[in-house]
Order: sequence, then C-alpha cells, then structure tokens
Amino acid sequence: SAVISQKPSRDICQRGTSLTIQCQVDSQVTMMFWYRQQPGQSLTLIATANQGSEATYESGFVIDKFPISRPNLTFSTLTVSNMSPEDSSIYLCSATGPTGNEQFFGPGTRLTVL
Amino acid sequence: GEDVEQSLFLSVREGDSSVINCTYTDSSSTYLYWYKQEPGAGLQLLTYIFSNMDMKQDQRLTVLLNKKDKHLSLRIADTQTGDSAIYFCAERNSGNTPLVFGKGTRLSVIA
Repeated sequence: SAVISQKPSRDICQRGTSLTIQCQVDSQVTMMFWYRQQPGQSLTLIATANQGSEATYESGFVIDKFPISRPNLTFSTLTVSNMSPEDSSIYLCSATGPTGNEQFFGPGTRLTVL
Repeated sequence: GEDVEQSLFLSVREGDSSVINCTYTDSSSTYLYWYKQEPGAGLQLLTYIFSNMDMKQDQRLTVLLNKKDKHLSLRIADTQTGDSAIYFCAERNSGNTPLVFGKGTRLSVIA
C-alpha cells in the first residue's frame, strides 16, 4: 500500500488569502488526485495531478482557483486561491497503488475560511 | 453520468452483522470499492472487487456483487463499536479513471 501524508492537517484562514497544501507519498505512484469533501458530504474530485504537465480539472474547478503542481512521482501541491467561506472543506490527496487497482487517501487537510 | 447510491444511516447492535448496500448505474464499472472514514480522519481502503467476481471475503468483511442488478454490499460480521464510521462505496470503469463515490452510509454500533 501507499502511505500518504499531507501538510498542514488543518488551518484557519482569512477570506481573500491563499493556502498551499502539500501531499507526499512514500513510493512512486502513477496517478495522484485531489478531492474536496464539504461538511457532511461525499468526495468530489477536483483534479488529476499530472507529473510534469498541467493538471486535468473536473467540471466546476479551474486552474486559477486551484493551481496544482506535481514536480515528481511522489509529491504534489494544491493551492486554494483567494479563499472565501465556501471553500471551507476537507481537502484530500489520493494516489493509486503499484497495481493501479487500489487507491489510497491521505488524512486530509481541514480548512476553515473566516 | 455515473451515479452511486447508498442509504445514509444504519444502526446495529454490537455482535450482530451489518450489511451496507450500494447501487451503481455505470454498466461498464470494472472496480468497486469500500472505504471507511472515522471522525476527523481520511479514507481507509477496506476492500475492493473486480466486476468479474461475485464475492470476496477478508476476515470479518464480505463483499457481494450482483452485476446484473448493479448492486454491491458490504457485510461486517460480529460488528464492534470500533466499526462505527461512515462507509463509502465507490466505482470506476478502468484503472486510470477517477473514482465515483456514493454519499456514504453512517454506521452506528450500539453497545
């Protein structure tokens, strides 16, 4: 299995600021993803983080609001830009295991925007 | 688009079996997953099943798949208070496509 860590685990931010969330996987993985889980809701895919190229965003999510980097096969960042209270959510990093069948999740970053 | 449906709540007594159900609409689903989320935590992969299987057992967990009815279930034998959590069903139709999640079933175990 892949072990995924995220930093920070939680943060409280002011409206209009930006926060960058880091995701580190303990082994090289092919696919990395970023999800959002709003309070009491299921998971929504934000984007697939592509190594060495621009992320692939899902409908309703744009690069200006959620820029993503993936400089190598074990690390990715998600920035939540120009935050508003509606961005308060848990943000989860995810990666597929070596076989590509299993998909693992990090512990999440709990973001509160005031 | 694909849709995954789950009942929202389930309550069982400690020691009983729990059965959490899930239905999906994508007939080309290849992989089906069960995840567990405890309060304040991320998602833990419990088990997954390929669409060419109809059953998978792993210790206290049994997954049953009825592909004709597009119905997936997770049975937890001898349910314990530590099993209290939200259980998410998810599916995808190939190794590189994103997971589609249900809304989750909140399992409460009564001592």
